[in-house]
Amino acid sequence: GVTQSPTHLIKTRGQQVTLRCSSQSGHNTVSWYQQALGQGPQFIFQYYREEENGRGNFPPRFSGLQFPNDSSELNVNALELDDSALYLCASSASESSYEQYFGPGTRLTVT
Amino acid sequence: GQQLNQSPQSMFIQEGEDVSMNCTSSSIFNTWLWYKQDPGEGPVLLIALYKAGELTSNGRLTAQFGITRKDSFLNISASIPSDVGIYFCAGQNSNSGYALNFGKGTSLLVTP
Repeated sequence: GVTQSPTHLIKTRGQQVTLRCSSQSGHNTVSWYQQALGQGPQFIFQYYREEENGRGNFPPRFSGLQFPNDSSELNVNALELDDSALYLCASSASESSYEQYFGPGTRLTVT
Repeated sequence: GQQLNQSPQSMFIQEGEDVSMNCTSSSIFNTWLWYKQDPGEGPVLLIALYKAGELTSNGRLTAQFGITRKDSFLNISASIPSDVGIYFCAGQNSNSGYALNFGKGTSLLVTP
């Protein structure tokens, strides 16, 4: 399945953070979502073949990378208190597949 | 993102009862999906729907893609304690590209 690391992270406002994800075997598309407490996941962006393939309403300080082995990273610069959330990675078999399979998430707390 | 409205917000039922929840949108969607999320976990895909009017089952779960393409329904029959969790609907359309738009979830509690 999809794995994510770390499981929990505490950072200070203004710092930078990198979250990691390994896609399900055979999946070449990865999407990242932010889930605030009590809310549904919000789409951040999607990567396919190492290129950003779509982006939600998030500022440029949210950036990503996808590697040839289909693992990926989410980077957030200049952390703000409102960035505290569960960050979910989801993989799918192709860019045109809407069946996205989620990892367990990384809980980020910004103080 | 586009707003999906889920109802009810929460449900508290007894084991063995049937459950119905729904999801509506002001926009037309091409795909509807239903996920379940347990505390501290990521959402787990339950059912995917691709065609207006489609009715799909997965064990005790049945979901329907509304004819108007603006709504979807999920039913759980004969609920059991492990059905406890938050159920999310998610939709996709041409405006959102490959992104999924999620509702705020329906929280289900089942008492033995």
